[in-house]
Amino acid sequence: SSELTQDPAVSVALGQTVRITCQGDSLRSYYASWYQQKPGQAPILVMYAKNSRPSGIPDRFSGSRSGNTASLTITGAQAEDEADYYCNSRDNSANHWVFGGGTKLTVL
Amino acid sequence: QVQLVQSGAEVKKPGASVKLSCKASGYTFTSYYMHWVRQAPGQGLEWMGLISPSGDSTVYAQTLQGRVTMTRDTSTSTDYMEMSSLRSDDTAVYYCARDNSVSADGTMGWWFDPWGQGTLVTVAS
Repeated sequence: SSELTQDPAVSVALGQTVRITCQGDSLRSYYASWYQQKPGQAPILVMYAKNSRPSGIPDRFSGSRSGNTASLTITGAQAEDEADYYCNSRDNSANHWVFGGGTKLTVL
Repeated sequence: QVQLVQSGAEVKKPGASVKLSCKASGYTFTSYYMHWVRQAPGQGLEWMGLISPSGDSTVYAQTLQGRVTMTRDTSTSTDYMEMSSLRSDDTAVYYCARDNSVSADGTMGWWFDPWGQGTLVTVAS
């Protein structure tokens, strides 16, 4: 089965730009989706398909894909963006889905 | 609004079974797949499987094959996830999440939205 690889932790200064990446073979075939999870809460969707944001997600969040890498970019990070971020994609070889290991974002 | 409401917390002994529910509202239940995802304490998200809109087809993660059963009651718009032979490492928060998909520029993408609030299952002797 495919795997999705994320950096375990990333930090960004308040108001600066940060990119969170997700690597995996399946991303050459399928778009990733991205989820934000704060402590004690259920994940929420923040990005999906080519570069689509659900209603209510600020436009400082954007998504992109190049080769086997999907990226979630936060332009002008805010304190409330501090959270764990997970990518997800359908598996290449089976009717399964897989999550990345998650990236803990710290806003300094 | 579209909403998924899950059943309450469970405490089980090793070897027992548990059956969780996920009640959907605000959309046409029989038009969407449903996924189940779990998260062990301090760990990441793990995809468990999905059930088809009519409930006649399921796919399970290989690591859970044989221990998990997903079913659907279309009359009450409720999905169920039953897990047997529980072990301590099954202690986790279990989520249901609705499937969505789109094709853009010839590429498919899927996403999970909304999510239920989660159900904590504790397996301990």
